[in-house]
Amino acid sequence: EAGVTQFPSHSVIEKGQTVTLRCDPISGHDNLYWYRRVMGKEIKFLLHFVKESKQDESGMPNNRFLAERTGGTYSTLKVQPAELEDSGVYFCASSPPGGGRLEQFFGPGTRLTVL
Amino acid sequence: GEDVEQSLFLSVREGDSSVINCTYTDSSSTYLYWYKQEPGAGLQLLTYIFSNMDMKQDQRLTVLLNKKDKHLSLRIADTQTGDSAIYFCAVSGGSQGNLIFGKGTKLSVKP
Repeated sequence: EAGVTQFPSHSVIEKGQTVTLRCDPISGHDNLYWYRRVMGKEIKFLLHFVKESKQDESGMPNNRFLAERTGGTYSTLKVQPAELEDSGVYFCASSPPGGGRLEQFFGPGTRLTVL
Repeated sequence: GEDVEQSLFLSVREGDSSVINCTYTDSSSTYLYWYKQEPGAGLQLLTYIFSNMDMKQDQRLTVLLNKKDKHLSLRIADTQTGDSAIYFCAVSGGSQGNLIFGKGTKLSVKP
């Protein structure tokens, strides 16, 4: 069974540009989470989808971040315009229906560098 | 809000035991987790413990939970070089299952 995949693995952009990160969860997993780790700090929760609905977006830092999950399959996270402080590793995780409290399966992350 | 603290580095010799410690603030956390991240890889769930337990053992891994002191530890017996990684302590956050992580402890195992 394929795991959670993320694309790209690494993105380097200039301040003010737009970047879109993609996450493909494990097939059948209704729950999809986005987290990010800024250098040297904790991995912080960004938001949680259940199918295509945003269940909790309390961790989104500001309105420069837009997450979508059309059709309840893959998800995208767009940063527009990117700022220096957005640099970090963005992780996606998924879990089966009702399984969010147990194991969340994480992808390898996308390392975003904003210059 | 919830805060999870753990030391940043730990260095041990191969064959020794490693103990990684974690403290948290929210006593209502139902599940507590240990994740492992190897270089270039995602986070892998190592083990978890329910808040009504005080110990869980799984092969070389032993998790101890002291709810009174809000202290969680992970002991790795007979540590191997392949155990070198970053270990993250995490607790269940809101009602929807989001996780709250510590900064991670980088375990270095010397031969």
